[in-house]
Amino acid sequence: DQQVKQNSPSLSVQEGRISILNCDYTNSMFDYFLWYKKYPAEGPTFLISISSIKDKNEDGRFTVFLNKSAKHLSLHIVPSQPGDSAVYFCAASFGNEKLTFGTGTRLTIIP
Amino acid sequence: DSGVTQTPKHLITATGQRVTLRCSPRSGDLSVYWYQQSLDQGLQFLIQYYNGEERAKGNILERFSAQQFPDLHSELNLSSLELGDSALYFCASSVDGSYTDTQYFGPGTRLTVL
Repeated sequence: DQQVKQNSPSLSVQEGRISILNCDYTNSMFDYFLWYKKYPAEGPTFLISISSIKDKNEDGRFTVFLNKSAKHLSLHIVPSQPGDSAVYFCAASFGNEKLTFGTGTRLTIIP
Repeated sequence: DSGVTQTPKHLITATGQRVTLRCSPRSGDLSVYWYQQSLDQGLQFLIQYYNGEERAKGNILERFSAQQFPDLHSELNLSSLELGDSALYFCASSVDGSYTDTQYFGPGTRLTVL
């Protein structure tokens, strides 16, 4: 049972444009959400998080939006840069439960 | 560099064998997590330790076991290996192990079972 889903395995975006990565979840108990970025041959790196009491969190070029009613999370990257090319994982948790990860979206920024 | 180290980077072994993966957390972090990433899959949580004690368990097979030592490094033991155990195994660490605590990941160990 995939509780966190990233339905787009890949996404290509022109450099300088906005990249939007999407994530859906099924467990309404989740109250903390994160995005991780992963380069080849490296471990995932924490990018940004959001608590369920908020609907938006910004950190520089990265903004995460949370729509609790739709059980939907998105990551916006503006403007997209070549160094943003990586695999992006969303993850969710609640209480003392483990982090549940999505399967990832490979983002390619086209120069 | 996250500050989390994992050894070895690559491991090739045969079915039925036993291997040990090692993880050293970031300085000051008390909690260690183990994850498995199979081909085209998300990271699957295996187990978490906090200051030497098991804190949470995920979908860890009975053939797998782990422990965290007094110096806080951790080892994941995989035995009676099967072809399906081939995967990337990541270790992560965090300061206090709470669910909102940021986890810092090591570079992973790629296990290939032939």
